[in-house]
Amino acid sequence: GAGVSQSPSNKVTEKGKDVELRCDPISGHTALYWYRQSLGQGLEFLIYFQGNSAPDKSGLPSDRFSAERTGGSVSTLTIQRTQQEDSAVYLCASTPGGSGSEQFFGPGTRLTVL
Amino acid sequence: QKEVEQDPGPLSVPEGAIVSLNCTYSNSAFQYFMWYRQYSRKGPELLMYTYSSGNKEDGRFTAQVDKSSKYISLFIRDSQPSDSATYLCAADTGRRALTFGSGTRLQVQP
Repeated sequence: GAGVSQSPSNKVTEKGKDVELRCDPISGHTALYWYRQSLGQGLEFLIYFQGNSAPDKSGLPSDRFSAERTGGSVSTLTIQRTQQEDSAVYLCASTPGGSGSEQFFGPGTRLTVL
Repeated sequence: QKEVEQDPGPLSVPEGAIVSLNCTYSNSAFQYFMWYRQYSRKGPELLMYTYSSGNKEDGRFTAQVDKSSKYISLFIRDSQPSDSATYLCAADTGRRALTFGSGTRLQVQP
C-alpha cells in the first residue's frame, strides 16, 4: 500500500517568507509526527498529533512554527517569516494508534532559506 | 548532554565484514529501541524494533539492548555495498515521540 507522502520534495524560499509543508500519512494511521533533520544531525522532534489534536508541541522551536491536522489525515506544518536557520529536511511519520512506536517516515521536504 | 549519543563515523568496511553500530542513552525511562536506515535524500526506514532488554534477529541484522548499561547495538553480518547508508538509533519512553541519535554513516566497500 501507499506509504507516507510529503510535498513539496524541495522548497527554496527567501528569508522572511512563509512556507507550508504537507504530509499525507498512511491511511488509517491515527498518530502523526513532524521531525526536523539538519545537515549531519539526527532527527529533532517538533510536534505530535493524535487524531486532529496535538497533545505534544514541545519540540516547536519558536512561535513562527505551527501545525494542524484535519480529518485525522493530512497535516500541514507552517513556518512564518522563515530564517536561514530553518533550512533543514522536514520529515513526517505516522503510526497506527496503539501499536507502539513503529513510526513510518515519509521522504521529507528539503527546505532551503536563502 | 544529548539523551541518545551515537558516533557519527564514517565507518568504512570491506564487503562481507561484520559491522557493529552502537549507541548509548541516558534516560532510564526509555523502553522501546529502534534502528532506522536512511539512504541519501530519503526518509528513515525502520530496520529493527525492540522492547526493553534483549536480542532480536532478522536475517543479517541483530539488535541488542542492554538496559543495565544503557547500551544499544546493531550488528550486520555479511555486509553488502547496498548496506551503505546512515544508521540511526532511536529510543522512546512510550509517549510516542522518538529521541534519535545523530546517525552513523556506513560505507561498505565492494
